[in-house]
Amino acid sequence: ETGVTQTPRHLVMGMTNKKSLKCEQHLGHNAMYWYKQSAKKPLELMFVYNFKEQTENNSVPSRFSPECPNSSHLFLHLHTLQPEDSALYLCASSPEPGRTIETQYFGPGTRLLVL
Amino acid sequence: KQEVTQIPAALSVPEGENLVLNCSFTDSAIYNLQWFRQDPGKGLTSLLLIQSSQREQTSGRLNASLDKSSGRSTLYIAASQPGDSATYLCAVMDSSYKLIFGSGTRLLVRP
Repeated sequence: ETGVTQTPRHLVMGMTNKKSLKCEQHLGHNAMYWYKQSAKKPLELMFVYNFKEQTENNSVPSRFSPECPNSSHLFLHLHTLQPEDSALYLCASSPEPGRTIETQYFGPGTRLLVL
Repeated sequence: KQEVTQIPAALSVPEGENLVLNCSFTDSAIYNLQWFRQDPGKGLTSLLLIQSSQREQTSGRLNASLDKSSGRSTLYIAASQPGDSATYLCAVMDSSYKLIFGSGTRLLVRP
């Protein structure tokens, strides 16, 4: 596979469930990102990882827990979510965060519904 | 705090028309401005990236301009086609290298 892949593509969970979102990039990039896209709101950056180290946490509630075991894989662990957390969660990668001539490459997203 | 605004929120045009999408940002301290395309329920695809020192970029039927001092960018789409129907997102890379996105313009090109 090429590019950035995300699984699952769709997820329905109850507020007491624990689930994980997975992202994998096949581009040899060193930076990975989680974004949240809610209805009628702009994309919001959640977390940034650079060479497996978290460099940005954009005031995200602790019920979202990211994990980056290596530069190719990124997880978002979810627990005790709220209905307002329902959104499209997008993963992205780039060569490095500070490369201003490079864009970010996005995965197709995971559509999450919290009941 | 950087804010990005896109106007109009939605646009419907007949096939073949030339069109302009607008983007404005509040803080001119940016590294670049990017235009993305998003199809329904899908991820983003990068269209054009304009460095802060540049005035415009072109790719095929797309042309994007940047006026950093006035905090504005436009995306010009020539001879629109139904396949251009999508949401177009503008984003600026701020001084901490974060992408700040607008809410997008939803474009429908009618056959």
